[in-house]
Amino acid sequence: DTAVSQTPKYLVTQMGNDKSIKCEQNLGHDTMYWYKQDSKKFLKIMFSYNNKELIINETVPNRFSPKSPDKAHLNLHINSLELGDSAVYFCASRRSSGGAGGELFFGEGSRLTVL
Amino acid sequence: DQQVKQNSPSLSVQEGRISILNCDYTNSMFDYFLWYKKYPAEGPTFLISISSIKDKNEDGRFTVFLNKSAKHLSLHIVPSQPGDSAVYFCAARNNAGKSTFGDGTTLTVKP
Repeated sequence: DTAVSQTPKYLVTQMGNDKSIKCEQNLGHDTMYWYKQDSKKFLKIMFSYNNKELIINETVPNRFSPKSPDKAHLNLHINSLELGDSAVYFCASRRSSGGAGGELFFGEGSRLTVL
Repeated sequence: DQQVKQNSPSLSVQEGRISILNCDYTNSMFDYFLWYKKYPAEGPTFLISISSIKDKNEDGRFTVFLNKSAKHLSLHIVPSQPGDSAVYFCAARNNAGKSTFGDGTTLTVKP
């Protein structure tokens, strides 16, 4: 039973299209994140939600819109896709009162390829 | 402005020897430092962490050392095993819960 699951795992689409990636966690965590890993392997934070409230919003084009319908779900919608959006997108969750580590639990990633 | 850096993109060691992975940071406000391990086509998984008020944390074959004055941390794996071959990410977390990651170091452990 996967703790953090993302769908789809692979997504190939044309420039200009709109697409969504969904994420669900069954760990009972209250905070969820989206990270982007580009071709240089660098993991960069995009957004974070705590109890459905947006708490971190990095410098991300407004073509990217996160939505958290409840604590267990955080979806990412991308409008007007560009070539530079090609990357692996990772969803993650953590318990904000996680004490010592409060480590992130990651999904398997969604590889987006924009042609 | 990259606040967390791993200056060695790759490291190769012999099975049974020690692997030392390094990480430098610039922001004194980080309160926790974490190491994650990533296999191809999988998400990163948590390995070990250390609070900013500690200088060492050990868990089995893995030890993390923190030198606050130098803004440097390192992960020691001993003895290294072929199954440890993966990409290792250093991350630094602030009190708002934001984790900033380094570029990653690819560790190869040769049998």
